[in-house]
Amino acid sequence: QLHLQESGPGLVKPSETLSLTCTVSGGSISSSDHYWAWIRQPPGKGLDWIGRIYYAGKTYYNPSLKSRLTISVDTSKNQFSLRLSSVTAADSGVYFCARVDVGSGYTKDWSFYPYYYMDVWGKGTTVTVSS
Amino acid sequence: EIVLTQSPVTLSLSPGERATLSCRASQSVTSNYLAWYQHRPGQAPRLLIFGASGRATGIPDRFSGSGSGTDFTLTISRLEPEDFAVYYCQHYDSSRGFTFGPGTKVDI
Repeated sequence: QLHLQESGPGLVKPSETLSLTCTVSGGSISSSDHYWAWIRQPPGKGLDWIGRIYYAGKTYYNPSLKSRLTISVDTSKNQFSLRLSSVTAADSGVYFCARVDVGSGYTKDWSFYPYYYMDVWGKGTTVTVSS
Repeated sequence: EIVLTQSPVTLSLSPGERATLSCRASQSVTSNYLAWYQHRPGQAPRLLIFGASGRATGIPDRFSGSGSGTDFTLTISRLEPEDFAVYYCQHYDSSRGFTFGPGTKVDI
């Protein structure tokens, strides 16, 4: 059974860089059928997608975070990581990692298109940005 | 940019009752791009429905998804005690990634 576990510092100072790692167990991060994602939940608010990565390194970022964000993958450790620079209090919250599955969609003229959803999630780790 | 609106904000029901949760998109979306998640406090979010109506692995058949265009619905036919949680709809966009709705809390 696939299991994802987030880890990293629970407290980060303003203007510094937030770094988190997601360790994947019970399956390979090098799966050609999946992507790997980060999502966060500010206190008292809903879910915000941060970005996703393919095992070969291709990344897709939330446009609102792109200038501060780096997501990387280490296939030898079965891990992927997030680095968010120049953090402020607005970056506080629970950070989740998740596996992204891919579905096969077809248009009316039978053109293929992929669609994505997050089918396995970690329990999350709380990060507070404060001096 | 597609914005998702969920209603109601809170749904107060009793075990055994039927729950109907709404997700409305600001413009018509491809149904396959719509998913639903359940989130209990302190736990990992759980995928319920993908492709608007496909039930995820291990999800009980009391959960069902429907809809098309701009209006989508998650129905829980008979609430069990463990179903009291927050439910989010989510849209995938090939250029902007994933967007979540603000959530509907189902409580007793």
